Amino acid sequence: NAGVMQNPRHLVRRRGQEARLRCSPMKGHSHVYWYRQLPEEGLKFMVYLQKENIIDESGMPKERFSAEFPKEGPSILRIQQVVRGDSAAYFCASSPTRSTEAFFGQGTRLTVV
Amino acid sequence: GQQVMQIPQYQHVQEGEDFTTYCNSSTTLSNIQWYKQRPGGHPVFLIQLVKSGEVKKQKRLTFQFGEAKKNSSLHITATQTTDVGTYFCAVDNYGQNFVFGPGTRLSVLP
Repeated sequence: NAGVMQNPRHLVRRRGQEARLRCSPMKGHSHVYWYRQLPEEGLKFMVYLQKENIIDESGMPKERFSAEFPKEGPSILRIQQVVRGDSAAYFCASSPTRSTEAFFGQGTRLTVV
Repeated sequence: GQQVMQIPQYQHVQEGEDFTTYCNSSTTLSNIQWYKQRPGGHPVFLIQLVKSGEVKKQKRLTFQFGEAKKNSSLHITATQTTDVGTYFCAVDNYGQNFVFGPGTRLSVLP
């Protein structure tokens, strides 16, 4: 049973470009969480999705950021028109139900130049 | 909104010394989780506590959930260099998501 897979592991984008971060949850997991982490800082919640539905997006910036978890395929975190301040590590986690342990992927390190 | 604090922010110990980190919430919690993140790595689940006053042990690690379910602690006995990393608590306050504390960064001097 493969763990949570995130790709790419590293992503470099120029200011104004779009960034697409992918997350394939563990098999049988229908709950996906996205977190953002700046160097030497904690994990900031962004969005919680459960197959095709956004359950909680209270941590997502209102503009430029969107997330989806389609019926088939990975969850996608999309950042449009990236700015330098978007540079961070983005972690995805999945769980089989809510309120159970979350399994994290290795993260995508986004660098905006 | 949910406020989660962890103290200390940093802890430097000599190998063999004990270490404790505390997690405090502004509201009563349904459960609490602890994670460890090694430098350059991703968070890894350690334990979940659900019951008031619960104590769980994993080898040299002891986890405790407060009687009022508003705080928790993680204690490591006789630290080793492999314990280096940041320890996060994550709280579920009957809300929609898990909120992570800011973490305690542990360094162990050999």
